[in-house]
Amino acid sequence: AQSVTQLGSHVSVSEGALVLLRCNYSSSVPPYLFWYVQYPNQGLQLLLKYTSAATLVKGINGFEAEFKKSETSFHLTKPSAHMSDAAEYFCAVSKPTLYSNYQLIWGAGTKLIIKP
Amino acid sequence: NAGVTQTPKFQVLKTGQSMTLQCAQDMNHEYMSWYRQDPGMGLRLIHYSVGAGITDQGEVPNGYNVSRSTTEDFPLRLLSAAPSQTSVYFCASSYSTASSYEQYFGPGTRLTVT
Repeated sequence: AQSVTQLGSHVSVSEGALVLLRCNYSSSVPPYLFWYVQYPNQGLQLLLKYTSAATLVKGINGFEAEFKKSETSFHLTKPSAHMSDAAEYFCAVSKPTLYSNYQLIWGAGTKLIIKP
Repeated sequence: NAGVTQTPKFQVLKTGQSMTLQCAQDMNHEYMSWYRQDPGMGLRLIHYSVGAGITDQGEVPNGYNVSRSTTEDFPLRLLSAAPSQTSVYFCASSYSTASSYEQYFGPGTRLTVT
């Protein structure tokens, strides 16, 4: 069975500091991996995704993530945090289903807090 | 494009009442789904559809019904509301059922059951 673990329900960093949000997955088949962001009182939007091409994936707003098969990780990073990055971030892995091979398994989310 | 729209934004129900959460998308997406979001639990899939007339259950389907008569609309019905269904509900759609495609989310419906 596939699963996703996000370490830390809350992460606090200073403005300008490195952002590191951790995601580990388990999957019996080669996974597709996603990071989504949710700003307060909004729906989720895609930050970036890994679909078995380059292991270092660049997304929107200066975020990137590296797929490490040996560590079963897909951590999200940004070199310098901005106040506008304050949001909740979700990691997800795809899972095969009856009709298609598309069902996302979600992590519990990590709330990123930016200190001025 | 309006994208994925959901109505209502907020709803309060009494235990035992029924209601329908509306979801529509104007992107001609094949795949649509309903999630509920509860604190500390991420998103949990309720039901999904891979095309008009085809639906399937997700992780937490009990107490909910869906149908998909058109490509655009995917309503979620609560049959007899319970306090455990207090949550934020998100509808999402995707161009393809292939697992590499991103999902587009609506703004959510915040439901309280008293």
